[in-house]
Amino acid sequence: DAKTTQPPSMDCAEGRAANLPCNHSTISGNEYVYWYRQIHSQGPQYIIHGLKNNETNEMASLIITEDRKSSTLILPHATLRDTAVYYCIVRGSLNTGNQFYFGTGTSLTVIP
Amino acid sequence: DTGVSQDPRHKITKRGQNVTFRCDPISEHNRLYWYRQTLGQGPEFLTYFQNEAQLEKSRLLSDRFSAERPKGSFSTLEIQRTEQGDSAMYLCASSFLTTSGGDTQYFGPGTRLTVL
Repeated sequence: DAKTTQPPSMDCAEGRAANLPCNHSTISGNEYVYWYRQIHSQGPQYIIHGLKNNETNEMASLIITEDRKSSTLILPHATLRDTAVYYCIVRGSLNTGNQFYFGTGTSLTVIP
Repeated sequence: DTGVSQDPRHKITKRGQNVTFRCDPISEHNRLYWYRQTLGQGPEFLTYFQNEAQLEKSRLLSDRFSAERPKGSFSTLEIQRTEQGDSAMYLCASSFLTTSGGDTQYFGPGTRLTVL
């Protein structure tokens, strides 16, 4: 079963930052936080992942709270192409659990 | 394109027929995963391989389902005696397991199965 809690839907104005929250209060010390997104009828697309520190790449930033019980995915300048379902997943490394539990994610709609 | 590929992209079959899907992972990825996704739900894990060994199966994987990865490269997922409840998107993902624990999965476009 999914170990994360996300709001079912969010809206964001085009050009503004989209901040997608995720609660993972039962996360273990060796579990990573992964974010994927899925545009309708396509396979999930990897966005970013992190363990303790904040991470940034060309797509997004990931902010993980100090107690690691929640995180926020930030899309700095949302475009219409960012409209998708965003999944927050916690997963152990190596032998502590191999599959991803996706849950139902957050449906982000970017509004023109 | 060097991403994960899946074939076919769409399959329509009649109840009771057998179907087989193929997944070609990213070259040199040693792990390969199969997921199933139904409408409005996130992907659900079915099984995974490390090289040619099938290491884990979900309880969702009934005895009508079988997966293989004979040479540690491409994989096939077969469903025997299909049922209408098997209608779903079947997703394949691959990853390269590193000693540091990195195991980011990259997904293919999926095969959409419709059982009439």
